[in-house]
Amino acid sequence: ELKVEQNPLFLSMQEGKNYTIYCNYSTTSDRLYWYRQDPGKSLESLFVLLSNGAVKQEGRLMASLDTKARLSTLHITAAVHDLSATYFCAAFSGGSNYKLTFGKGTLLTVNP
Amino acid sequence: GAGVSQTPSNKVTEKGKYVELRCDPISGHTALYWYRQSLGQGPEFLIYFQGTGAADDSGLPNDRFFAVRPEGSVSTLKIQRTERGDSAVYLCASSLTGGANYGYTFGSGTRLTVV
Repeated sequence: ELKVEQNPLFLSMQEGKNYTIYCNYSTTSDRLYWYRQDPGKSLESLFVLLSNGAVKQEGRLMASLDTKARLSTLHITAAVHDLSATYFCAAFSGGSNYKLTFGKGTLLTVNP
Repeated sequence: GAGVSQTPSNKVTEKGKYVELRCDPISGHTALYWYRQSLGQGPEFLIYFQGTGAADDSGLPNDRFFAVRPEGSVSTLKIQRTERGDSAVYLCASSLTGGANYGYTFGSGTRLTVV
């Protein structure tokens, strides 16, 4: 059974600082997804990583995937308050059902 | 439609009652998923439809839960004899066939509270 672990679960940052959120998964998965969730809102797709070595960047966020290490990272550069949200990674379970298994999420708070 | 639409956005029901939650996916998306998100947790898979058929219902917690998608578009998640433990946000997502390559679009969810 695929398990996905994120760390840290809580992250308090100062504006302007850099940090990385880690996402480990337990069995082979060649697709990894990152979502953002604001309080009381649904999930907003950030990145879809489809292969080993994939790297994608959007603004101050950069995501990467290492399928051999079963690790994805979400790097935050020069954080701003607007990035405060909960970030989820999800791994694709494979097979024909396209089921996603989510981590517990990382609650990011960016302080002025 | 432009996005995945879920109704109602909030539902409060008494323990033991029956509820129906509706999901209207993006037009043309053949794959539809239901997930459940409890407070402070990530979404958990419930059921997956490809077209009209439930291709994988392994996440449904028990036989009080079932879902239909009779015409391959709108889906309804039905919960019988609701319990307080059913309280959660129920999320619907849709994708194109082969959605694993394109990602999944989630609706805003239905917040179910069983009192």
